[in-house]
Amino acid sequence: DTGVSQDPRHKITKRGQNVTFRCDPISEHNRLYWYRQTLGQGPEFLTYFQNEAQLEKSRLLSDRFSAERPKGSFSTLEIQRTEQGDSAMYLCASSLGYGQGGGTEAFFGQGTRLTVV
Amino acid sequence: TQLLEQSPQFLSIQEGENLTVYCNSSSVFSSLQWYRQEPGEGPVLLVTVVTGGEVKKLKRLTFQFGDARKDSSLHITAAQPGDTGLYLCAAPYENRDDKIIFGKGTRLHILP
Repeated sequence: DTGVSQDPRHKITKRGQNVTFRCDPISEHNRLYWYRQTLGQGPEFLTYFQNEAQLEKSRLLSDRFSAERPKGSFSTLEIQRTEQGDSAMYLCASSLGYGQGGGTEAFFGQGTRLTVV
Repeated sequence: TQLLEQSPQFLSIQEGENLTVYCNSSSVFSSLQWYRQEPGEGPVLLVTVVTGGEVKKLKRLTFQFGDARKDSSLHITAAQPGDTGLYLCAAPYENRDDKIIFGKGTRLHILP
């Protein structure tokens, strides 16, 4: 399968614990995105990488959240000291990223559903 | 703040009926995308529209980009239970090619 893959698919954790999610993008895609989706909402942008550089972080991403893409391939999203409000689906997407205003088409993984109890 | 407003929020109709869902904004977009998302899965890209007034067809789904590139519609003919899902519209934030924003989606349920 050459699509975007995310691991784990589901994670249940106790409040206060740290969790880490992994995303493997489509291999030739240089852009990688993290989104969060809660029930009844569309995906909300969290952050994105161009190769290994993290170019933007949303204000939704508190200091407890950190994302890395060390070699410009896979990425990890870590949440420290989880809170119940962190419960959501965390989606990873990748894209080729073409020219200015040319239309960016993102390909999503299946997501990691986090439940904080 | 750019917003993509989708309507209706929920739609439940009988198999075989036709339906239209909408995506509206006060902003002009260089392109707009439609995704479908099934429960527990990530969104899957259906189509990208780029030109004002453009119409694209995908089997029983017809997508239209408004002339002013501020809105779009998705029309489904003879809906089937397999069409059930969350339909999301998305567009480049401030017409950048590196950030996509989404509407809240229309949750569609087709009754057999």
